[in-house]
Amino acid sequence: NAGVTQTPKFQVLKTGQSMTLQCAQDMNHEYMSWYRQDPGMGLRLIHYSVGAGITDQGEVPNGYNVSRSTTEDFPLRLLSAAPSQTSVYFCASSQGRGVGGYTFGSGTRLTVV
Amino acid sequence: DAKTTQPTSMDCAEGRAANLPCNHSTISGNEYVYWYRQIHSQGPQYIIHGLKNNETNEMASLIITEDRKSSTLILPHATLRDTAVYYCIVRVADTGGFKTIFGAGTRLFVKA
Repeated sequence: NAGVTQTPKFQVLKTGQSMTLQCAQDMNHEYMSWYRQDPGMGLRLIHYSVGAGITDQGEVPNGYNVSRSTTEDFPLRLLSAAPSQTSVYFCASSQGRGVGGYTFGSGTRLTVV
Repeated sequence: DAKTTQPTSMDCAEGRAANLPCNHSTISGNEYVYWYRQIHSQGPQYIIHGLKNNETNEMASLIITEDRKSSTLILPHATLRDTAVYYCIVRVADTGGFKTIFGAGTRLFVKA
């Protein structure tokens, strides 16, 4: 049981480049979310999904797109990377309806130069 | 979801109980209290949650006041490995608009 798997673990991008951060979970969880965490700060919600085919915006969605074509996968796309998007990105999943807590991935450390 | 207030930081001696408070005075009747922790740049880890009654698991105990406006996370015998940022979150458990907002949390320092 792998839990929540994020790839890559580290990435350096040039300003203007695009890329996709991958997130996969094998727990058949309905709910998945993406957060970013800047140095010394708490987590901020980017996008979340309550099931396949359903996504919604969080606190800081600008510059990011998501899709949820399967229950297992929830990729996060950076459309045109900017230095302000330098951060650690965490993906999380939850059993959803009910009282389960979130399971987090180990994070992707992204630097935009 | 209701807003929570936590102290910025706390110290605790190794082997002693760590009591982390959280204020959630605007909590609604169908909102649960959740606690997570984040150990240095790792992904946050779920600890415990509760609605009305006190809860205990292998990691910690959660004490919720009778009026549900505040709660305390108790680590009964803190170790150096418990040094982390602890997040108190209040949210509705069963909603189509589900999302969880994390605040700044409490930075707990366990000292030898």
